[in-house]
Amino acid sequence: AQSVTQLGSHVSVSEGALVLLRCNYSSSVPPYLFWYVQYPNQGLQLLLKYTSAATLVKGINDFEAEFKKSETSFHLTKPSAHMSDAAEYFCAASGSARQLTFGSGTQLTVLP
Amino acid sequence: DVKVTQSSRYLVKRTGEKVFLECVQDMDHENMFWYRQDPGLGLRLIYFSYDVKMKEKGDIPEGYSVSREKKERFSLILESASTNQTSMYLCASSLGTGVDTQYFGPGTRLTVL
Repeated sequence: AQSVTQLGSHVSVSEGALVLLRCNYSSSVPPYLFWYVQYPNQGLQLLLKYTSAATLVKGINDFEAEFKKSETSFHLTKPSAHMSDAAEYFCAASGSARQLTFGSGTQLTVLP
Repeated sequence: DVKVTQSSRYLVKRTGEKVFLECVQDMDHENMFWYRQDPGLGLRLIYFSYDVKMKEKGDIPEGYSVSREKKERFSLILESASTNQTSMYLCASSLGTGVDTQYFGPGTRLTVL
């Protein structure tokens, strides 16, 4: 069974600063990995996904994530935070099965 | 664009009532999912369906049932609502396998009094 751990339930950054949201997975087989974002009062939207084609994955709104098998990590980064990035971010994993296992989420606050 | 719609954004019910949450997708997706979202717990899978009339239990199926009579529609049923089922409920759909993106509806915030 897979598990996904997101370190830090709340992260605050200043506008223009680097965003780093951490995600570690536990799986005997490297899974497919996803980052989703949830803006207030909305459903989840896909930011990016790793499907074993390339370890550095680029997503929407200048977000990217790097798959590191040796560290079982898939951390999400953005070089420069914008106020509009304030949201909750979820890391998720799936294997050959169709369902996703989600982390507990990280609430990102961007300070002016 | 894929569109997943849910019948209600907000719902208030009383303990013991039977509650129906409806979800419709317009992309001919094979798979549909029901999750509940609670603060600090992320999303937990209640049930999913990979074909019409097919269903599988997720991680927390107790107190819930589902129905999928048509490919585009997936219903979540609370047979006898309880206060501990107060939560945000999210529906999602995906095309086929584990690599496929899940597309989410806007959610239904259910309050059981």
